[in-house]
Amino acid sequence: DTAVSQTPKYLVTQMGNDKSIKCEQNLGHDTMYWYKQDSKKFLKIMFSYNNKELIINETVPNRFSPKSPDKAHLNLHINSLELGDSAVYFCASSALPPYEQYFGPGTRLTVT
Amino acid sequence: GDSVTQMEGPVTLSEEAFLTINCTYTATGYPSLFWYVQYPGEGLQLLLKATKADDKGSNKGFEATYRKETTSFHLEKGSVQVSDSAVYFCALTEGAGGTSYGKLTFGQGTILTVHP
Repeated sequence: DTAVSQTPKYLVTQMGNDKSIKCEQNLGHDTMYWYKQDSKKFLKIMFSYNNKELIINETVPNRFSPKSPDKAHLNLHINSLELGDSAVYFCASSALPPYEQYFGPGTRLTVT
Repeated sequence: GDSVTQMEGPVTLSEEAFLTINCTYTATGYPSLFWYVQYPGEGLQLLLKATKADDKGSNKGFEATYRKETTSFHLEKGSVQVSDSAVYFCALTEGAGGTSYGKLTFGQGTILTVHP
């Protein structure tokens, strides 16, 4: 059974479009995260939710909006896509400290 | 704020060579430290962790020791295999009792290539 799953795995779209990435975890964790990995492999946190409540919101354009319908799901909606949004987006989840995080397989977003 | 610095890559080794990837950190309090590995085309997997000073994390022949005095968490393996070729990330989270809810701060990643 996949612990953290993301859909889609690949997403190719044009500038100006709106797209969503879905994430689900079956580990029973309370906390979920979105990370962005750029072309140089650098990883940076974007958002974190704990029990459906937004707790971390890094400096991310407000075109990015996370939504957590329940604690097993965390979706990422992106409006008005730009070329610079091209990256791999990873979802992760964790339980209590030390917050060992489990990552999904990633969604490679390409904006043309 | 917290930060993690890894040695510059890429690192290229022959099979059975000794591996060291250096990692140093800056953090307040007592962070937990992690090494994650990313195989080509895949997500990140936790390789090992340490939650307090002098703890040694180990897994699959890899080891790292939490050194508070030198703020380091260097990754080592005595004999690498071709299958170890991947990107390795050092990372930290705020210690227990913190307010960051486990936000991971990553180093820049080190690409390791092992040749037969």
